[in-house]
Amino acid sequence: SQTIHQWPATLVQPVGSPLSLECTVEGTSNPNLYWYRQAAGRGLQLLFYSVGIGQISSEVPQNLSASRPQDRQFILSSKKLLLSDSGFYLCAWRPGSSYEQYFGPGTRLTVT
Amino acid sequence: ELKVEQNPLFLSMQEGKNYTIYCNYSTTSDRLYWYRQDPGKSLESLFVLLSNGAVKQEGRLMASLDTKARLSTLHITAAVHDLSATYFCNAGGTSYGKLTFGQGTILTVHP
Repeated sequence: SQTIHQWPATLVQPVGSPLSLECTVEGTSNPNLYWYRQAAGRGLQLLFYSVGIGQISSEVPQNLSASRPQDRQFILSSKKLLLSDSGFYLCAWRPGSSYEQYFGPGTRLTVT
Repeated sequence: ELKVEQNPLFLSMQEGKNYTIYCNYSTTSDRLYWYRQDPGKSLESLFVLLSNGAVKQEGRLMASLDTKARLSTLHITAAVHDLSATYFCNAGGTSYGKLTFGQGTILTVHP
């Protein structure tokens, strides 16, 4: 069966520090991968999606970036965090042949 | 650009009552999803609706899709406290699976 992992689960970082969040999917190959951010416990905003290794599409201009160094690994990064980067970051995957997205457990980021 | 709107955004219900959450989307979409989110947790998939007239039911929840009206509904029957959560719908239709979320409906069921 397929599983999706995210780490860390919780992170507290000072303003101006770098960021690296990791998402890994097991039990599948060539998934579509997505990064979402949820601020203030409400709506989800799509940040990036990837349909293959090295292929990243950005939805929202910001100081975040994403990379996909391996087929089932998706990384969200920042060189310098802002207070507004605080939120709940969710990774999701979708099998190429399916319509449904499956979400990881999330990373709660607090920028202080 | 596809926009998805849910209403109501906040719903306070008494146990045993029925209610409906509405999800409207602005342009053609060939799929509609409903998710549930408990506080501090990730999203759990509830329903996937793929065609006009599709209806799916799980326990006290029933979802339907009207693609001509660009409307999906999530009907709650005889609400119980365990249904308290935030419910999201989303829609999309691109080949890359790009989906647009509604704002979410915060449901609170009171005894």
